[in-house]
Amino acid sequence: SQQGEEDPQALSIQEGENATMNCSYKTSINNLQWYRQNSGRGLVHLILIRSNEREKHSGRLRVTLDTSKKSSSLLITASRAADTASYFCAGGGFQKLVFGTGTRLLVSP
Amino acid sequence: EAGVVQSPRYKIIEKKQPVAFWCNPISGHNTLYWYLQNLGQGPELLIRYENEEAVDDSQLPKDRFSAERLKGVDSTLKIQPAELGDSAVYLCASSSTRLAGGGSNEQFFGPGTRLTVL
Repeated sequence: SQQGEEDPQALSIQEGENATMNCSYKTSINNLQWYRQNSGRGLVHLILIRSNEREKHSGRLRVTLDTSKKSSSLLITASRAADTASYFCAGGGFQKLVFGTGTRLLVSP
Repeated sequence: EAGVVQSPRYKIIEKKQPVAFWCNPISGHNTLYWYLQNLGQGPELLIRYENEEAVDDSQLPKDRFSAERLKGVDSTLKIQPAELGDSAVYLCASSSTRLAGGGSNEQFFGPGTRLTVL
């Protein structure tokens, strides 16, 4: 079963704009992870935020976590065409990850 | 460092036929996962191995699916017989020792095997 929903399901923006994706999860977690999946390929880990953290940055990525609302957001700043992919959040519970349904991001040149 | 290797990349079979997928995890990774990913969905865990032991196979349809991880390295996932609804991408992932506190560590994914059952 999926961990939860991601919003929006699809997002289309222009290069240079920011992209924000939201994730809601169902169960208690130890950490929340974000992955990217390019068409026809496996998933690539982007960033991990622990349950006792509220915000984390990595390059052009900014992740927030609100455990009281069981939600997280991923912000990609100054997007590039190469950022076009599907993005998945995954709740890191006890010894396993449970993935969301994903957001499909299209960045047009 | 080589990533997670999976083969074959694509497989087309007739329903009721058997099929097997192979995975070679990253060297030194003790945990191996098999996921199923349907079109437009996130991966769903089928089975998780710690070394050679299957520690979580609660989502594996055991009437037709089986898996093994001999010697705690490579793993195979088998479907027999395959059904039309098994058409999906089968992903293998591996990770090293879990984070302190029990949280799941970063997982490294292979490219997947796209299965089409006709």
